[in-house]
Amino acid sequence: DQQVKQNSPSLSVQEGRISILNCDYTNSMFDYFLWYKKYPAEGPTFLISISSIKDKNEDGRFTVFLNKSAKHLSLHIVPSQPGDSAVYFCAASGHNDYKLSFGAGTTVTVRA
Amino acid sequence: SQTIHQWPATLVQPVGSPLSLECTVEGTSNPNLYWYRQAAGRGLQLLFYSIGIDQISSEVPQNLSASRPQDRQFILSSKKLLLSDSGFYLCAWNRDRGGEKLFFGSGTQLSVL
Repeated sequence: DQQVKQNSPSLSVQEGRISILNCDYTNSMFDYFLWYKKYPAEGPTFLISISSIKDKNEDGRFTVFLNKSAKHLSLHIVPSQPGDSAVYFCAASGHNDYKLSFGAGTTVTVRA
Repeated sequence: SQTIHQWPATLVQPVGSPLSLECTVEGTSNPNLYWYRQAAGRGLQLLFYSIGIDQISSEVPQNLSASRPQDRQFILSSKKLLLSDSGFYLCAWNRDRGGEKLFFGSGTQLSVL
């Protein structure tokens, strides 16, 4: 049973515009949420995270928003750059969990 | 600094052959270790994780097994590969539980033919 869902398999955006990636979760015990970026044939790299006590976390061009009541989070990339073209995974974990549960990923393509 | 090594990068194996993928972490002690798989067009599926030597948790019943013979070494094995074992295998580590971010290796692309 998929507890973390990324319902948009792909996203195409023009360079310089905003990319918005969405993620939904079903497990109310999740307290921590992370975003990873993955290039083909490479391991994922950590991008940004947020804990459930916050509703927003910002790091440079990347901002993550968390809506706990809706069990929804989103990643905003502003402005989008060609190097942002990659697969983005949403992940979640509970306070006592060792593992991260990942979504299916969203492939972002930034057009010049 | 900590580094994670995973090899080989690419592997082509016939159906029914054995498998051994190795992962080692340097620069830290007693890490939590993980094996994930990304099947074609799908997300990251957790296969096994280990919080200590000889402590292995299996997440999905399957044709694979894992072992942790040393503190910073994690091995993924199979006695007889199936076509469905094809995929991109990733080793990862972190220090603690509760949303502690994972650091991934560079992955092994396994093709079973």
